[in-house]
Amino acid sequence: GIQVEQSPPDLILQEGANSTLRCNFSDSVNNLQWFHQNPWGQLINLFYIPSGTKQNGRLSATTVATERYSLLYISSSQTTDSGVYFCAVGGKAAGNKLTFGGGTRVLVKP
Amino acid sequence: AAGVIQSPRHLIKEKRETATLKCYPIPRHDTVYWYQQGPGQDPQFLISFYEKMQSDKGSIPDRFSAQQFSDYHSELNMSSLELGDSALYFCASSLTAEAFFGQGTRLTVV
Repeated sequence: GIQVEQSPPDLILQEGANSTLRCNFSDSVNNLQWFHQNPWGQLINLFYIPSGTKQNGRLSATTVATERYSLLYISSSQTTDSGVYFCAVGGKAAGNKLTFGGGTRVLVKP
Repeated sequence: AAGVIQSPRHLIKEKRETATLKCYPIPRHDTVYWYQQGPGQDPQFLISFYEKMQSDKGSIPDRFSAQQFSDYHSELNMSSLELGDSALYFCASSLTAEAFFGQGTRLTVV
């Protein structure tokens, strides 16, 4: 099956800092999603981005499908950005199910 | 906008008991997925249904079964519960490739 690796595993930021999270995957995908899991366990959809670039407020994401990686950018981080960020991919051979990476645990300090 | 509804939100069961988790997908979504997230881990795919038929199966124990009903809601039945079944169980639904997750059911087996 598809392998998904996220880096870094942990990130500590000062409020207001910018950061980049990376997701590498091992095969062609037809689905790539970024999620934020908040401290209460909710998985919140950030981006559906199998290719290209999208922006939503202080967050943006870029997926380069031919090179099998995606990046999530957080700008001007806030304490509410704390939590775990997951990248999840779905491959053409895998139907529509998602394979998750190990996540990046982000802590934003005031 | 309507979201994926899961019930109950929290459940405490004793070893060897049975549990039933329910999921109500977003209206008109034709695919339902179940995922299990153990403590400190990423979500793992269990099983999916497309138009009420099982479409894919992951690492779902034989003690677990699931089905999708005529009104498209789905239930995950878990029998002979073990301590290791303690986890957050997510249901997700999709119409195209993008999946939307419910708030999860936190199952604790004591």
